[in-house]
Amino acid sequence: NAGVMQNPRHLVRRRGQEARLRCSPMKGHSHVYWYRQLPEEGLKFMVYLQKENIIDESGMPKERFSAEFPKEGPSILRIQQVVRGDSAAYFCASSPVGGGYTFGSGTRLTVV
Amino acid sequence: GENVEQHPSTLSVQEGDSAVIKCTYSDSASNYFPWYKQELGKRPQLIIDIRSNVGEKKDQRIAVTLNKTAKHFSLHITETQPEDSAVYFCAASFDQGGSEKLVFGKGMKLTVNP
Repeated sequence: NAGVMQNPRHLVRRRGQEARLRCSPMKGHSHVYWYRQLPEEGLKFMVYLQKENIIDESGMPKERFSAEFPKEGPSILRIQQVVRGDSAAYFCASSPVGGGYTFGSGTRLTVV
Repeated sequence: GENVEQHPSTLSVQEGDSAVIKCTYSDSASNYFPWYKQELGKRPQLIIDIRSNVGEKKDQRIAVTLNKTAKHFSLHITETQPEDSAVYFCAASFDQGGSEKLVFGKGMKLTVNP
């Protein structure tokens, strides 16, 4: 089992560009969560998805951010028109029904 | 609202000493409390967890206790080693309208001095 796979590991974008972060959950896991971690800070919940459904997006900024988990393929976190304040580590986690989280290695986004 | 408080934010101990990290949570309905260890530049990794039907759980040098009445839970590390140095996060589950997610504390940086 390859675990939770995130790519890319590092992503550099200029202000105004789009960032796409991908997450493939562990085999057998049907729940995907995205968290953002700023330097020296904790993990902030962004969104919880199941296949083709957004279950809870209460932590997502109202503009520029979107997430999906299609029937086929990885979950995508999309950030449009990135700004410097979007620079952070973005972690994806997956879980089975009623189970604990397994985190991916994260994508470190730097906006220049 | 959903909130998990963690303290202290930093702790420095000598190798062989014990370390204790304390967390409180706001939602009395929370029923799952995991602890994660994150080394610099790496992913958070689950080290131990406890569910609300249990008051204490131990795994070698690590133990977790839960007081549901007071909404407190704690991580205890005994006989600390330099490789225990990392940031430790507590978390509590929150169920909102059928959506169960983990809310994390801000983390505690543990330094174990040889």
